[in-house]
Amino acid sequence: KAGVTQTPRYLIKTRGQQVTLSCSPISGHRSVSWYQQTPGQGLQFLFEYFSETQRNKGNFPGRFSGRQFSNSRSEMNVSTLELGDSALYLCASSLEAVSGSQETQYFGPGTRLLVL
Amino acid sequence: GENVEQHPSTLSVQEGDSAVIKCTYSDSASNYFPWYKQELGKGPQLIIDIRSNVGEKKDQRIAVTLNKTAKHFSLHITETQPEDSAVYFCAASFTTSGTYKYIFGTGTRLKVLA
Repeated sequence: KAGVTQTPRYLIKTRGQQVTLSCSPISGHRSVSWYQQTPGQGLQFLFEYFSETQRNKGNFPGRFSGRQFSNSRSEMNVSTLELGDSALYLCASSLEAVSGSQETQYFGPGTRLLVL
Repeated sequence: GENVEQHPSTLSVQEGDSAVIKCTYSDSASNYFPWYKQELGKGPQLIIDIRSNVGEKKDQRIAVTLNKTAKHFSLHITETQPEDSAVYFCAASFTTSGTYKYIFGTGTRLKVLA
């Protein structure tokens, strides 16, 4: 089975721009979570989607948003980019055959975003 | 609040020695605890996990122990090898409004010296 894939792998943007990152979960996985990873803050939870619905959200400003499609693929968007948004953005998927079952998350390689 | 503390932040061991990384969590309702290994330029990879109905789990050179009363869990790597050098993250599940999310520790950079 193919793992979690994320595109693009690297991205350079300037302040004020917006960006969209894409995540394709492992086939059959229904839950997709997004994390921001920075050297100072570690892995910070952004949000989680299940069956096209956002179930959980972390403590990030409204500039960070996401969505999930019917095939479980997910996108996250960051508008009005700030220098502090430079980070590795990780996507993780889990099977969750039954909603609410706490199952293993499998991570993609991440998208490294640099904001200049 | 939701919190996972991880220690130490860096750990250097000689090849062949054991390494232990410890985490504590804040929510007594947490019941799933995965450990991830992250190598340079890659996403975190699951190496072992444990659920709250089990006190210990082992997979070859890697073991995890869980003390629910004290709310802490530990990763043990025996007979360390240079390829074990990486950043290790612990995580704990936190339930919220009938759903759950994972909170991660801040990571431990393990260096295995040949």
